[in-house]
Amino acid sequence: DTGVSQDPRHKITKRGQNVTFRCDPISEHNRLYWYRQTLGQGPEFLTYFQNEAQLEKSRLLSDRFSAERPKGSFSTLEIQRTEQGDSAMYLCASPGGAPSKYNEQFFGPGTRLTVL
Amino acid sequence: EDQVTQSPEALRLQEGESSSLNCSYTVSGLRGLFWYRQDPGKGPEFLFTLYSAGEEKEKERLKATLTKKESFLHITAPKPEDSATYLCAVQADRGSTLGRLYFGRGTQLTVWP
Repeated sequence: DTGVSQDPRHKITKRGQNVTFRCDPISEHNRLYWYRQTLGQGPEFLTYFQNEAQLEKSRLLSDRFSAERPKGSFSTLEIQRTEQGDSAMYLCASPGGAPSKYNEQFFGPGTRLTVL
Repeated sequence: EDQVTQSPEALRLQEGESSSLNCSYTVSGLRGLFWYRQDPGKGPEFLFTLYSAGEEKEKERLKATLTKKESFLHITAPKPEDSATYLCAVQADRGSTLGRLYFGRGTQLTVWP
């Protein structure tokens, strides 16, 4: 258990529906990252928060994707009008709680999205 | 553009047969190189961070080394429970989001009894 939790663990939805995922980082660390991983690939960066500010978004994050981090604690990732190409594992990561771990990223268990 | 290439894509070893996984990288200033283990359907599990050429880290049957252009993950006398996908990632210290990781595609390791 890395201390990063994600909910739900699995989500099956029909094309065109909206979905929302949640991430609770380690000890409310000020940095939080979202990645997406498709089968046979390594995780790809989606977006980054420092406290409540979203500081960078990858071009992978189309207009249908939105992420928030209210109050700099947990974060949500919403996908509107889902497409089959959105099927992937969505991963959340945050640095460790101890100063010696600030440069390391610990991942949550991920949310597996399947779009039918 | 920052890139990470891992080889081989897949590796099958008999229990006890030592081997090495390779991670070559190009990055505009290396802040750190990371190794993760990933089991099917789970998030990546942190193994090691390496920061400078010549550095080595060990954990049980795993040993990670770093040069200026590549890293190796040596697996000594592997056991079936070492079967997993091993991911390599780099952090750049210039022109990049603070802490953002660039991953390779991974090496899928299978150790059979």
